[in-house]
Amino acid sequence: NAGVTQTPKFQVLKTGQSMTLQCAQDMNHEYMSWYRQDPGMGLRLIHYSVGAGITDQGEVPNGYNVSRSTTEDFPLRLLSAAPSQTSVYFCASSYQGEGTEAFFGQGTRLTVV
Amino acid sequence: TQLLEQSPQFLSIQEGENLTVYCNSSSVFSSLQWYRQEPGEGPVLLVTVVTGGEVKKLKRLTFQFGDARKDSSLHITAAQPGDTGLYLCALTSDKLIFGTGTRLQVFP
Repeated sequence: NAGVTQTPKFQVLKTGQSMTLQCAQDMNHEYMSWYRQDPGMGLRLIHYSVGAGITDQGEVPNGYNVSRSTTEDFPLRLLSAAPSQTSVYFCASSYQGEGTEAFFGQGTRLTVV
Repeated sequence: TQLLEQSPQFLSIQEGENLTVYCNSSSVFSSLQWYRQEPGEGPVLLVTVVTGGEVKKLKRLTFQFGDARKDSSLHITAAQPGDTGLYLCALTSDKLIFGTGTRLQVFP
């Protein structure tokens, strides 16, 4: 079982470059989300989606765009990378509803220089 | 403003000791989850609590949901090096919001 797959695992960007972090899940989950985790801290919600065609902002959405054209995929786009976006990014998916278990990818470690 | 505050932020103990981690909010939770994250991995669900006053046990881990559903605790009995990791509480509503985390290090 693949679960939640994130690519790439590591990425170095120059300030101002753009890139897309990929996230795919094969569990037919309605809910998908992106988090960032800075050193020694918990996870902060960037954007989330409750189904194909529906996205919403989380706690720290500025500088990031998302789209959800299919149930399986939820890419995160950085249009103009900044050093403040250096972080580890996690994608998660779950069935819709309170208290359901969230499954996480292994993370993408992004460094912006 | 962080919705969920966890304490302590860091905890370093010897194998065999007991410990308690706390998760607090000024808001009432409808349900709360605890996750553990190991280095280089994503968080993994430990438990979900939904009823005020609820107590759940998972081997040496005991989870409690406060009567007023505004706080929760995680107690580990006889900690082992394998318990080392980042413990996160999370508020479940229309979205999943995590607490600030408690980083636990258990030394042999």
